[in-house]
Amino acid sequence: GAGVSQSPSNKVTEKGKDVELRCDPISGHTALYWYRQRLGQGLEFLIYFQGNSAPDKSGLPSDRFSAERTGESVSTLTIQRTQQEDSAVYLCASSLARGGTGELFFGEGSRLTVL
Amino acid sequence: QQPVQSPQAVILREGEDAVINCSSSKALYSVHWYRQKHGEAPVFLMILLKGGEQKGHEKISASFNEKKQQSSLYLTASQLSYSGTYFCGTVGSSNTGKLIFGQGTTLQVKP
Repeated sequence: GAGVSQSPSNKVTEKGKDVELRCDPISGHTALYWYRQRLGQGLEFLIYFQGNSAPDKSGLPSDRFSAERTGESVSTLTIQRTQQEDSAVYLCASSLARGGTGELFFGEGSRLTVL
Repeated sequence: QQPVQSPQAVILREGEDAVINCSSSKALYSVHWYRQKHGEAPVFLMILLKGGEQKGHEKISASFNEKKQQSSLYLTASQLSYSGTYFCGTVGSSNTGKLIFGQGTTLQVKP
């Protein structure tokens, strides 16, 4: 596809389970971002990748959150031992330009509900 | 640190103008503006770079005062399609690439 693809689009899990969210950026986009958006709230920065390195992981809320990226391609965000406060839409965005200088293209998000 | 947007919400009639402000406590490299409609992903509107370069949307304009660490988004002759939540995002002057968004400004345009 031409846009940023995220999967799953919806995920319902039980508290304490692990979840993996996937992001396929636009081909050739070197920069990749993960954001969390709680219901009715703003976009909370989680992590930024330039290529497969993460210059800034400061937004990850706790050590239960981790992310990795393979080359300049797919990224996965993993949340271990999920808690109810993890319920949110997780948005991925990619950019052709080096971080901060170009347009971000957002995916439709993965909606996570923790029961 | 998260930029601060004002106002939090605004209601307009079609054809009216609006200004949304974005303020940072830190020196900036760039300011981004996005619009998000309910249930949809954010969509790019504008980017303003340190040094004055501006790239973006032909029907919406913006300014960036580097000294004051402030940006404003100008919506003129608003249309119903302008309704949504507007987010400014900032990248610090060291340009690590970390793009942090403000809390958003909800704009509602009525007929």
